[in-house]
Formats: sequence, structure tokens, C-alpha cells
Amino acid sequence: DIQMTQSPSSLSASVGDRVTITCRASQSISSYLNWYQQKPGKAPKLLIYAASSLQSGVPSRFSGSGSGTDFTLTISSLQPEDFATYYCQQSYSTPIFTFGPGTKVDIK
Amino acid sequence: EVQLVESGGGLVKPGGSLRLSCAASGFTFSSYSMNWVRQAPGKGLEWVSSISSSSSYIYYADSVKGRFTISRDNAKNSLYLQMNSLRAEDTAVYYCARDTTRDGYNLEDYWGQGTLVTVSS
Repeated sequence: DIQMTQSPSSLSASVGDRVTITCRASQSISSYLNWYQQKPGKAPKLLIYAASSLQSGVPSRFSGSGSGTDFTLTISSLQPEDFATYYCQQSYSTPIFTFGPGTKVDIK
Repeated sequence: EVQLVESGGGLVKPGGSLRLSCAASGFTFSSYSMNWVRQAPGKGLEWVSSISSSSSYIYYADSVKGRFTISRDNAKNSLYLQMNSLRAEDTAVYYCARDTTRDGYNLEDYWGQGTLVTVSS
């Protein structure tokens, strides 16, 4: 089974900060990596697919990069509505896919 | 507008059963694979089960294999999850999610609002 890890597990940041979240797979998954945002009490929302492709309607301050085992999600300038938990998901072994444990971004 | 609406959650005793439903609208349901994903209180996301568009291919997480059954009725635009032999660790919000493929990559682009299942005596 492919295991996913994320770091950090949480971070505190201010509006306007550049934020980077890292996701690592236990084996190479090429670019089969998606990123989701989840706010409390809400369903996850797709941000990035195929490691670096921006989902339609998602602000351009979100970007993704990486391939193989190491991936990053970057928010170039954190906005108030971006405070949430972010999950990576590998789709290499689709339809059996796994999520990372999540990274909570809160207000400093 | 794509909509997924789950129902059927509630409080059930350990060992009991529950059937979740997900009503789909706004897209051609019969053309998409569908998934159930759950989230225990305060925890992360866990994939539970997947079913292909014509029900030909079905997959389960090891944690629910032999206890849960996924099914769909394309005529009713509905997805189901029959949960038997429920355990306390099955307590979670259950989401249905649409699976799609873009440029050869799978992703879950639409999610329901979730339904809470609580397993407790």
C-alpha cells in the first residue's frame, strides 16, 4: 500500500504570507497527486490535480509542484479564506487511493 | 449544477446496520465511477469504497471489507453504502464523491455535504 505523509502537521501564518506544505509518498507515484482544501464542517474541495494542474475556479495563488515521491502545495499570498486543512491524495493506485494526514493552516 | 446529497446517517448500536444513500443530479450519473470517503471526528480523510460506472468493478478498504457493500442504481441516479456489523471505529462523517479522469489522472471533483454515522451503545 502507498503511504502518504505531510509536513508540517500544522502551521500558523499571517495574511499575505507565502505558505508551503510538503507531501511525500512511500513510493514513486509519478504525478498522480491531488490537493484538497477542507474547512470545518465542510466537504473537501479539489484545488490541484496531477501534481500541478489548477482546478477550474481555484485562485492562481495556489500552485503545486513535484513528481515521484515529493510534492509541494504553495499559497503565494495567504488570504483570510485560506485558513483551512489541506490534504494530499495519491491516485496512482486508483481506484484505491490514500490521503495524507492533513496540514492545518491557522492564523498567527 | 452538480449536486450530491447523502442521507441515512444516524445513531446505531455496535453490531447494527445502516444504509447510506447519495442522490446525484446535474450530471450523467451512469458515466462516472463513485466513491465513499469517511472522516472520523477530528481526524483525516479515509477512502472507504469505489464502484465503477456500470458496477462492474468494486473495491473496498481493508477496514470495511466483508462488512460494507457499495452499490448503485443508475436509473435512480443513486449510490448506496450498506454497512453491517458496525463498530465504534466506523463513527465518522461519510461523503460520497464523484470520480473523474482528466488528462489521464483520476480525481474527486464533486463531494456531497456528508452524513454522520455514530456507532455507540
